[in-house]
Amino acid sequence: KQEVTQIPAALSVPEGENLVLNCSFTDSAIYNLQWFRQDPGKGLTSLLLIQSSQREQTSGRLNASLDKSSGRSTLYIAASQPGDSATYLCAVTMYSGGGADGLTFGKGTHLIIQP
Amino acid sequence: DAGVTQSPTHLIKTRGQHVTLRCSPISGHKSVSWYQQVLGQGPQFIFQYYEKEERGRGNFPDRFSARQFPNYSSELNVNALLLGDSALYLCASRHDRLAGGQGNEQFFGPGTRLTVL
Repeated sequence: KQEVTQIPAALSVPEGENLVLNCSFTDSAIYNLQWFRQDPGKGLTSLLLIQSSQREQTSGRLNASLDKSSGRSTLYIAASQPGDSATYLCAVTMYSGGGADGLTFGKGTHLIIQP
Repeated sequence: DAGVTQSPTHLIKTRGQHVTLRCSPISGHKSVSWYQQVLGQGPQFIFQYYEKEERGRGNFPDRFSARQFPNYSSELNVNALLLGDSALYLCASRHDRLAGGQGNEQFFGPGTRLTVL
């Protein structure tokens, strides 16, 4: 059974800092990995999708890397801003070969950027 | 272009009642999935539907059921509600089931907050 772990569970940093959020998964046979952002009481906003054949994806100040063999992904946020405060969730899709391919999520990292 | 929409936004029910939640995917998306998110946890996969057929089910009891309509919208039904069913229910859509490239990206709606008293 796939398990996804995110470290740290919570993080508080001053505005302007660069930071790294970590995600690990137990089964490396993934199809893709997706990073989401969730604001309190809201739905999920997709940030980045990395296919299993890719090593990284970038969008603006965000960069996500994937090391499938070691079961790890990192989300790098450059020059953090108070508006980046949210919970960040990592999720993987298994290569199902015709079966279910629902996302398996971690519990998230609760990020606070101090003005 | 509209994103994934869900209705209702909030819902309060009592134990033993039945509830129906609705989801409309992004136009052109044929795959719809449902997730349950309890406070402080990541979402848990409930169902996936593709082209009106169930393609996957998570570890949820038979009280949970769903269906997808010809226009690709979907309903999630929960019977005999328990206090533990209180959660945010999220719907996600994707362009094509396991299609290559960015077609795999899942887009989520705002969710339905269900409270069971």
